[in-house]
Amino acid sequence: GESVGLHLPTLSVQEGDNSIINCAYSNSASDYFIWYKQESGKGPQFIIDIRSNMDKRQGQRVTVLLNKTVKHLSLQIAATQPGDSAVYFCAEIRGYQKVTFGTGTKLQVIP
Amino acid sequence: GAVVSQHPSRVICKSGTSVKIECRSLDFQATTMFWYRQFPKQSLMLMATSNEGSKATYEQGVEKDKFLINHASLTLSTLTVTSAHPEDSSFYICSARELAGIQETQYFGPGTRLLVL
Repeated sequence: GESVGLHLPTLSVQEGDNSIINCAYSNSASDYFIWYKQESGKGPQFIIDIRSNMDKRQGQRVTVLLNKTVKHLSLQIAATQPGDSAVYFCAEIRGYQKVTFGTGTKLQVIP
Repeated sequence: GAVVSQHPSRVICKSGTSVKIECRSLDFQATTMFWYRQFPKQSLMLMATSNEGSKATYEQGVEKDKFLINHASLTLSTLTVTSAHPEDSSFYICSARELAGIQETQYFGPGTRLLVL
């Protein structure tokens, strides 16, 4: 059903520092996971994905870690820049089709 | 990466009118597209799955007669909000599923902001 309208959790990070955004998921049957970035007034933008049979994947300045034991996913952003300020969503995909989004974390980069 | 467009990007309408939103995959064919709505400071909520050439599959609680979905071609899905009311005001986002070999990714459109007066 509809989620309750809560304020998004906010992570404030100094420019140049590393950011770690966390996500807990519930379904152990998820096939893979995606991190999306959403800037204000725009649609989600794909950042990186990871399959359920992996525990780490690296991209450009980003690393996703998957811990299936505790059903936890994290996104690490190296050398955070002002342009990284956005809301970040993790999403779990089951059956290679249905996407379920987490509640989101707002990343605020302090210049 | 693949590009998904939406039109219009923003629409203001009077209560009781119908609004059509288009979602297009610009450089790939999408047999499946998805429609989401997002309220301020909330996550995306899946409304329905749109399959080319067949009826859409709606999520629980989403009125299919209220939100009409037509997936007429492999690159176009439309969402029509019928008899819109102020509570339908929201950010509507579509996504399209691209399947390349065994790799499957969903790409999102830029969203359509609907304001019903």
